[in-house]
Amino acid sequence: GQQVMQIPQYQHVQEGEDFTTYCNSSTTLSNIQWYKQRPGGHPVFLIQLVKSGEVKKQKRLTFQFGEAKKNSSLHITATQTTDVGTYFCAGDGSGNTGKLIFGQGTTLQVKP
Amino acid sequence: GAVVSQHPSWVICKSGTSVKIECRSLDFQATTMFWYRQFPKQSLMLMATSNEGSKATYEQGVEKDKFLINHASLTLSTLTVTSAHPEDSSFYICSAAGGGRAYEQYFGPGTRLTVT
Repeated sequence: GQQVMQIPQYQHVQEGEDFTTYCNSSTTLSNIQWYKQRPGGHPVFLIQLVKSGEVKKQKRLTFQFGEAKKNSSLHITATQTTDVGTYFCAGDGSGNTGKLIFGQGTTLQVKP
Repeated sequence: GAVVSQHPSWVICKSGTSVKIECRSLDFQATTMFWYRQFPKQSLMLMATSNEGSKATYEQGVEKDKFLINHASLTLSTLTVTSAHPEDSSFYICSAAGGGRAYEQYFGPGTRLTVT
């Protein structure tokens, strides 16, 4: 079945450093979504990418969708302590039906 | 807007008993609701997809007779864990779609189930 792999599993950075998490699907995706889950909280939607090669920015966060629509990345510039949490990518390979397969997540720790 | 609630937030039950978890969309009509399971420090595993008024679609490996899902209205879906065992202990999270952007899922706060 469809699998979504995400690396790294954990990342510790000093405040101000950059951070990147990578997501790779075993199959071509119709779209990919990114979520953030704070410790003890529930996932919160960040963004959706649909088009091949798409790049979207949200302040310090940059999201990319690969040309083949099988991989994606999230890059955070100049991390802050508020960026702490687990970032999940979630792929929709079933034709925009909303059924998502989540990656394992990358847990980000930021040292002040 | 687009708030999803879950009840209870945590529950402890004895082995062999059944537990019902409710998922409600408070300010929108959810055409589809999803149920996930999350183990500590792990990812969300999709258990089933439910549409109002129809039978839920279960993912491979998820026992439909053990995890009963009812989606009786556009604002309420329930998950009943029947004859619970300690290995069913987990964090169960629901999400609902239909609150704004069609593709966006709004997640509930989750229910922590502990089976003793």
